Amino acid sequence: DGGITQSPKYLFRKEGQNVTLSCEQNLNHDAMYWYRQDPGQGLRLIYYSQIVNDFQKGDIAEGYSVSREKKESFPLTVTSAQKNPTAFYLCASSTAPDRRVWLAKNIQYFGAGTRLSVL
Amino acid sequence: RKEVEQDPGPFNVPEGATVAFNCTYSNSASQSFFWYRQDCRKEPKLLMSVYSSGNEDGRFTAQLNRASQYISLLIRDSKLSDSATYLCVVTQPGNQFYFGTGTSLTVIP
Repeated sequence: DGGITQSPKYLFRKEGQNVTLSCEQNLNHDAMYWYRQDPGQGLRLIYYSQIVNDFQKGDIAEGYSVSREKKESFPLTVTSAQKNPTAFYLCASSTAPDRRVWLAKNIQYFGAGTRLSVL
Repeated sequence: RKEVEQDPGPFNVPEGATVAFNCTYSNSASQSFFWYRQDCRKEPKLLMSVYSSGNEDGRFTAQLNRASQYISLLIRDSKLSDSATYLCVVTQPGNQFYFGTGTSLTVIP
């Protein structure tokens, strides 16, 4: 089955610790995204990547880092600099903007999410 | 100004009712439009794309008004299983996706 897999489902971070959230997709999508969702809030973009070995900061990148060494993988590290990391983290992927794909099919698909809490 | 704005609700409606959600977007260069559904503590899932001519999928009808930069979702004959948060999503050039904060719907028996 094609899809996006996030792991772990739940994660606990100790103060001063860096933690890494995994995101893997087998949809052959070029673009991948990380969002943060706080209770009762909308999705806020942390980082996105349109192609391997390239990524861009989103609206709330401070305290986070990413890498995109492989097309199918886009891990997110929550660093100790992120002082309020407790949230629901969602990874998504979509087709690339430069492909001649009918725009209506440029849909974003989400993983099941990782819930991060601070101990 | 937010890229996408939605009435957060909550909307509490009886089974069988018709309910409509609205969404406005600020960038006239926006390209694609979608409604997603998000259940409690789950990821968002695509409900339907929104086309300029309007489109229907069973009990769900989506409309787009580019002149007014307005998107709507109509749910007819509401079911208990329709209870969820509905997210309006807009894309802009550069493959940027912008999400509304969502409209909460509870269908009451």
